[in-house]
Amino acid sequence: GAVVSQHPSWVICKSGTSVKIECRSLDFQATTMFWYRQFPKQSLMLMATSNEGSKATYEQGVEKDKFLINHASLTLSTLTVTSAHPEDSSFYICSAQREYEQYFGPGTRLTVT
Amino acid sequence: GNSVTQMEGPVTLSEEAFLTINCTYTATGYPSLFWYVQYPGEGLQLLLKATKADDKGSNKGFEATYRKETTSFHLEKGSVQVSDSAVYFCALRRSTGGGNKLTFGTGTQLKVEL
Repeated sequence: GAVVSQHPSWVICKSGTSVKIECRSLDFQATTMFWYRQFPKQSLMLMATSNEGSKATYEQGVEKDKFLINHASLTLSTLTVTSAHPEDSSFYICSAQREYEQYFGPGTRLTVT
Repeated sequence: GNSVTQMEGPVTLSEEAFLTINCTYTATGYPSLFWYVQYPGEGLQLLLKATKADDKGSNKGFEATYRKETTSFHLEKGSVQVSDSAVYFCALRRSTGGGNKLTFGTGTQLKVEL
């Protein structure tokens, strides 16, 4: 149990376009989900905490107007990278919280050309 | 602030060798400590955890002891297998406040060869 999926697993988009990444908890409901960003050979950096039915809480330095998070149901959170630029290319990982533990998705590789 | 430092990889071992991956942390209070493992193409999975000083977490032959005096949580396994090849992340969670936020180390890639 406690399976989390992400879609897509990888995406390539052109500079200036927007891309949406989905995070789903498949066999449990998650009031809270987290979005991380990971650069090569670096640790996971928490971007924001997503709470169902309310606005996400962003970490310091993360542009909330650029990284739009929507947690509209207890099993789905989405991250939309708006007006993407090459510097947004990264590996994005989500996690869903159940009983105070985090369960992670497999990640989404975003490449902006 | 909180931080986690772990040894750089990749670490390459022969099957049945002894494994140690070092992890030290900086945090206020009494954080909980975790080791996560990420197999190729999969999400991070919780491997083991410890919530207070001198606790030992263990799972699948892996062990780590919460050492407050040295602020360390080193991962060990007595005899590694090829199937243990993965990236291992050390992480901490604050004891109070901050919700359920995790602070991760940079990850250590382990390669086990026959």
